[in-house]
Amino acid sequence: KQEVTQIPAALSVPEGENLVLNCSFTDSAIYNLQWFRQDPGKGLTSLLLIQSSQREQTSGRLNASLDKSSGRSTLYIAASQPGDSATYLCAVLDQGAQKLVFGQGTRLTINP
Amino acid sequence: NAGVTQTPKFRVLKTGQSMTLLCAQDMNHEYMYWYRQDPGMGLRLIHYSVGEGTTAKGEVPDGYNVSRLKKQNFLLGLESAAPSQTSVYFCASSYSGRGNEQFFGPGTRLTVL
Repeated sequence: KQEVTQIPAALSVPEGENLVLNCSFTDSAIYNLQWFRQDPGKGLTSLLLIQSSQREQTSGRLNASLDKSSGRSTLYIAASQPGDSATYLCAVLDQGAQKLVFGQGTRLTINP
Repeated sequence: NAGVTQTPKFRVLKTGQSMTLLCAQDMNHEYMYWYRQDPGMGLRLIHYSVGEGTTAKGEVPDGYNVSRLKKQNFLLGLESAAPSQTSVYFCASSYSGRGNEQFFGPGTRLTVL
C-alpha cells in the first residue's frame, strides 16, 4: 500500500529565505506526483505536476523535483513571501492513474 | 470557466438524515473524485468515476453512494448520516490529456449531530 510522508509537519521562516519541503513515498510505481497548496478553510490549488518520466518542473519561484528510484520529491520555494504561508500537500497517483494518495502536509509560515 | 464547483458549502445534519452533495465541472474532464479531509487523517478517496455512468470505490467508501449520470456532474449521497461522517468533502476532476492533473473544488463542510 502506498504511503506518503511529508517532513517537517510545520515550518516557520523569515521572509526572503529560500526553503525546501520534503515528500517521500514508499512505492516507486507511480504515474505522477502533484504538489498542492491549501489555505485555511479553502480547497486545494494545484501548484506543480511532475510526470513519472520527468525529473523536475518549475513555475515562477517554485521548483519541484522527483527522484522515483529513491521515492522522494522536494518543493523548493525561492525568496519566500508572507503570501506563501499555507499548507503544502504532496500527492502521488498510482500507475493505474486512478487513485491519488496524499501526505499529511507541511504547514508553512513566512514571518514578515 | 468556473472549474470545479460544489453545492452546498456548509450543511448540518442530524444522525440518520440523508443528503446529496453535488459536484459540477465545466472542463469536460473524464475523471471525477470525492475525497474527505479529517484532522490527523489527511485527504482520503471515497469514490471515483472514470467516465459517465461508471463509478468505483476508493479507500473509505462505506456509508456513501455515488452517481455519475452526466459527464459534468458527480453526486455523493449519504443515506443515513452518522457523526463519523462529519468532515470536509472535496470533489476533484482530471483529464488524461493533462497527465491526470487533479483540480479541486472549494469543499463542503458537513457536520452530523
